[in-house]
Amino acid sequence: DAGVTQSPTHLIKTRGQQVTLRCSPISGHKSVSWYQQVLGQGPQFIFQYYEKEERGRGNFPDRFSARQFPNYSSELNVNALLLGDSALYLCASSLWQGGVQPQHFGDGTRLSIL
Amino acid sequence: ILNVEQSPQSLHVQEGDSTNFTCSFPSSNFYALHWYRWETAKSPEALFVMTLNGDEKKKGRISATLNTKEGYSYLYIKGSQPEDSATYLCAFALETLSNSGYALNFGKGTSLLVTP
Repeated sequence: DAGVTQSPTHLIKTRGQQVTLRCSPISGHKSVSWYQQVLGQGPQFIFQYYEKEERGRGNFPDRFSARQFPNYSSELNVNALLLGDSALYLCASSLWQGGVQPQHFGDGTRLSIL
Repeated sequence: ILNVEQSPQSLHVQEGDSTNFTCSFPSSNFYALHWYRWETAKSPEALFVMTLNGDEKKKGRISATLNTKEGYSYLYIKGSQPEDSATYLCAFALETLSNSGYALNFGKGTSLLVTP
């Protein structure tokens, strides 16, 4: 069975540009969460989507947005990129949105801002 | 944002040694505590989800305990092997402000290196 897949693997952008990251959850999983991980820190929660609705948003500016599609895949968009947005972006899926559900993570997208 | 603290930050042991790490979290409004193993160049892998005070979980040589009243969890590895080398993350599940979802608040992790 395919795990969580994320694309692209790596991405280089310049300040002020916009970026879209994509995530396909494990088949049957209806919840997708996004996390940002910078070097030396644990992953930080950005968004959770369940059944195509936003169920949670972390402490990130409005430049960050996301959506979930009818097939439960998800996109994370970041506008007006800043140097500080350079990080590993992880997508995780679970059967439903509850906190007792183990998260299944993708390999991440490494975003570098020049 | 709730503080989840992990110690030690890093650990270097010899093959065959047993080791343990600590995760501290807020004891109020506890819902669930997660443990993940993150090997280099791979994705984080779920080890345990713990919900009940006094809970003990085991997976092979790895086990974990939970004390929700005092706000800590221990992860134990018995007879460490080089393939156990990874970063071990704990995360506190917190209900989102919309009260319809959950976010994981991660610690910074414990980096374990096991040498032959």
